[in-house]
Amino acid sequence: DQQVKQNSPSLSVQEGRISILNCDYTNSMFDYFLWYKKYPAEGPTFLISISSIKDKNEDGRFTVFLNKSAKHLSLHIVPSQPGDSAVYFCAARKHQGAQKLVFGQGTRLTINP
Amino acid sequence: EADIYQTPRYLVIGTGKKITLECSQTMGHDKMYWYQQDPGMELHLIHYSYGVNSTEKGDLSSESTVSRIRTEHFPLTLESARPSHTSQYLCATTGQYTEAFFGQGTRLTVV
Repeated sequence: DQQVKQNSPSLSVQEGRISILNCDYTNSMFDYFLWYKKYPAEGPTFLISISSIKDKNEDGRFTVFLNKSAKHLSLHIVPSQPGDSAVYFCAARKHQGAQKLVFGQGTRLTINP
Repeated sequence: EADIYQTPRYLVIGTGKKITLECSQTMGHDKMYWYQQDPGMELHLIHYSYGVNSTEKGDLSSESTVSRIRTEHFPLTLESARPSHTSQYLCATTGQYTEAFFGQGTRLTVV
């Protein structure tokens, strides 16, 4: 039973345009959500997070939106840059206890010049 | 800047060998984790620790074992490596109110 799902394995966006990556979750006990960026043979790098008490969090070119009723979150990158090309993972956790992260399958984002 | 380190970065080893993947953090965090990732797949939690002398199995069954004798050190051991153990192994740590910080990973190939 996959609790965090990223249904798009890949996404191609033109440089300068907006990239939108989507993520759905099923466990209503999750109260903290994170996005990570990963290059091959490297560890994930934290990008941005959002608590379940918020519906939006913004950091520079990155904005995460959370729709709790739909159990859906999205990451917006604008404007997209070639260096943004990587695999993006959505992750969720419960804020208490072990704080184990549950990851989606990832979306490979390619920014075309 | 995250201060969590994994060694080696790459390891190619023969079947049946014993291996230990090292993970160290200088952030003073109690919670540490090991994740396993195959190409194109999600990261799966295989071990975690609340602190010294605490280790728990993760959500994905693994033949590896871990130990936590010191706060900063969380090594993972495979007693007898097999080709099915070929994967990327990622160590992470988290504070109480912070995101998880990951090491650079160890890409293990068992031949």
